[in-house]
Amino acid sequence: DVKVTQSSRYLVKRTGEKVFLECVQDMDHENMFWYRQDPGLGLRLIYFSYDVKMKEKGDIPEGYSVSREKKERFSLILESASTNQTSMYLCASSRYQGPDTGELFFGEGSRLTVL
Amino acid sequence: GENVEQHPSTLSVQEGDSAVIKCTYSDSASNYFPWYKQELGKRPQLIIDIRSNVGEKKDQRIAVTLNKTAKHFSLHITETQPEDSAVYFCALHLGGNTPLVFGKGTRLSVIA
Repeated sequence: DVKVTQSSRYLVKRTGEKVFLECVQDMDHENMFWYRQDPGLGLRLIYFSYDVKMKEKGDIPEGYSVSREKKERFSLILESASTNQTSMYLCASSRYQGPDTGELFFGEGSRLTVL
Repeated sequence: GENVEQHPSTLSVQEGDSAVIKCTYSDSASNYFPWYKQELGKRPQLIIDIRSNVGEKKDQRIAVTLNKTAKHFSLHITETQPEDSAVYFCALHLGGNTPLVFGKGTRLSVIA
């Protein structure tokens, strides 16, 4: 079974704090993604990466950055957390399949509350 | 970028009835159309998908239909059961090295 593990299920942070959300996958997937899930807004893509040290902006990258130093690990960073970043964050990975796309495997999610 | 419109946003059905969720898109380059199910408190998981060279695909009580001319695809769930209650997301792929584009989701409630 593919496992996508997010380091923290629940976090509470203060406005202005730096926040790290870690994601690790164990199936040697090339592609990794960070989504934000809010009620009524669905799954919005923040950043994605198709290779080590590579990153691409998604639909809502403002206020976020990412790091992919190793193939299995993709980190989401909130440089200075704000209350409007209170949300559920989902990490996902998929295998590279050339012009096609493979199944996305999601982590359990990290619920972040910024006070 | 490409947008996927998903309707309805909420859907309630009696147990045993059918449920249909529809997604529309505009980019004719879309070539892959998966559906993900997210049960309460759990991660989204792929339940069925269809590629652009196929019009319909079935897997037991669920089916997906694709109308490339009209640019819409639909999820059909027959004989609904309480465990079908979840949020369902449609998505599409534009090909190449691009990420999936997701609809906003449909919350399905199956009433026993």
